[in-house]
Amino acid sequence: DGGITQSPKYLFRKEGQNVTLSCEQNLNHDAMYWYRQDPGQGLRLIYYSQIVNDFQKGDIAEGYSVSREKKESFPLTVTSAQKNPTAFYLCASSILSANYGYTFGSGTRLTVV
Amino acid sequence: QKEVEQNSGPLSVPEGAIASLNCTYSDRGSQSFFWYRQYSGKSPELIMSIYSNGDKEDGRFTAQLNKASQYVSLLIRDSQPSDSATYLCAVKGEYGNKLVFGAGTILRVKS
Repeated sequence: DGGITQSPKYLFRKEGQNVTLSCEQNLNHDAMYWYRQDPGQGLRLIYYSQIVNDFQKGDIAEGYSVSREKKESFPLTVTSAQKNPTAFYLCASSILSANYGYTFGSGTRLTVV
Repeated sequence: QKEVEQNSGPLSVPEGAIASLNCTYSDRGSQSFFWYRQYSGKSPELIMSIYSNGDKEDGRFTAQLNKASQYVSLLIRDSQPSDSATYLCAVKGEYGNKLVFGAGTILRVKS
């Protein structure tokens, strides 16, 4: 079955540590996105990519980095520069069409310990 | 002004009633509109999309779009307790492929 797989489901980060969240899709979608969701709040765009080896900053990119070496994969690294990383992280993908919504993965819940 | 605005709720309706969820957007050139349902602790799930003025029905769900008023709504008929969730409105602009999300409306269906 086609879909988006995010791993791990839960992740704990120590102060000053970098962590990487995995996102893999087998939907053959060109575009991939990373969002952050805090309790009781909407989705905020971190980074997005519409083609391999190219990506753009979203609204809250500081403290995060991404790569897009393969069409299927769009990992997100939360660096030590991100001072408040505790949140629910959602990866999504889409075809490049105005009349097409996003498909979301199941999310990764990151907690600083 | 936020690009996509929704009443945060919670909106409480009795089981079997019609739930009406509303959304306004600021970009007059917006082309496509989506409703997502998000259960607590889970990821958003696409339930409806609409591109033209008027109504679009799918089972118990009806999406309504009025581009002149920059307004989109979602009606849920015969509401069930399992419909209790946060409903996110999302809009795609005239250019680009990015979805802009509202903050969501919490719906509670009481049995």
